[in-house]
Amino acid sequence: AQSVAQPEDQVNVAEGNPLTVKCTYSVSGNPYLFWYVQYPNRGLQFLLKYITGDNLVKGSYGFEAEFNKSQTSFHLKKPSALVSDSALYFCAVRDPFRAGNNRKLIWGLGTSLAVNP
Amino acid sequence: EAQVTQNPRYLITVTGKKLTVTCSQNMNHEYMSWYRQDPGLGLRQIYYSMNVEVTDKGDVPEGYKVSRKEKRNFPLILESPSPNQTSLYFCASGNTEAFFGQGTRLTVV
Repeated sequence: AQSVAQPEDQVNVAEGNPLTVKCTYSVSGNPYLFWYVQYPNRGLQFLLKYITGDNLVKGSYGFEAEFNKSQTSFHLKKPSALVSDSALYFCAVRDPFRAGNNRKLIWGLGTSLAVNP
Repeated sequence: EAQVTQNPRYLITVTGKKLTVTCSQNMNHEYMSWYRQDPGLGLRQIYYSMNVEVTDKGDVPEGYKVSRKEKRNFPLILESPSPNQTSLYFCASGNTEAFFGQGTRLTVV
């Protein structure tokens, strides 16, 4: 079965330090991979996606993610965290080659990122 | 500007009183879906629509209905809301890159 795991419920980092939010997936073939961010009382906002090509993907707000096929991972990173990055982060995966709604996004449970001043 | 508009943002209702949460998108997307978000459970898909007049159940459809009479609109209907439907609801449009509405926080008392 397709699945996405975000092994950390919460990540705490100090402002200015690098941050990593982890995501691993279980989808056969060549999946599409996504990161979304949810700020308090807001909807989810798209951060970045990997479809094909360079394994390092750059997205909004200085975030980037590295696709590692052998480890089936798509970790979200940022070189220098800001307090304003504090939010809930969701990883999602889609198998584009399945039929119908089996192509739907499969979501991780989310990781709460707290950046401390 | 690409937009998914959901209304209302907040709603408190009583058990059994029918309600509708509206969702509209301006991106001409064929695929739209509804999610509920609950602590510890992440996002769970309620219903989805592949196109006009084509809708189907997601992972947690019980107690909900949807319709898709026009491409832009995808309302979520709770015919007889119950307290276990208290949740944060999101409409999403598009599938390769999903665009989300701002959410509707529903409380059923």
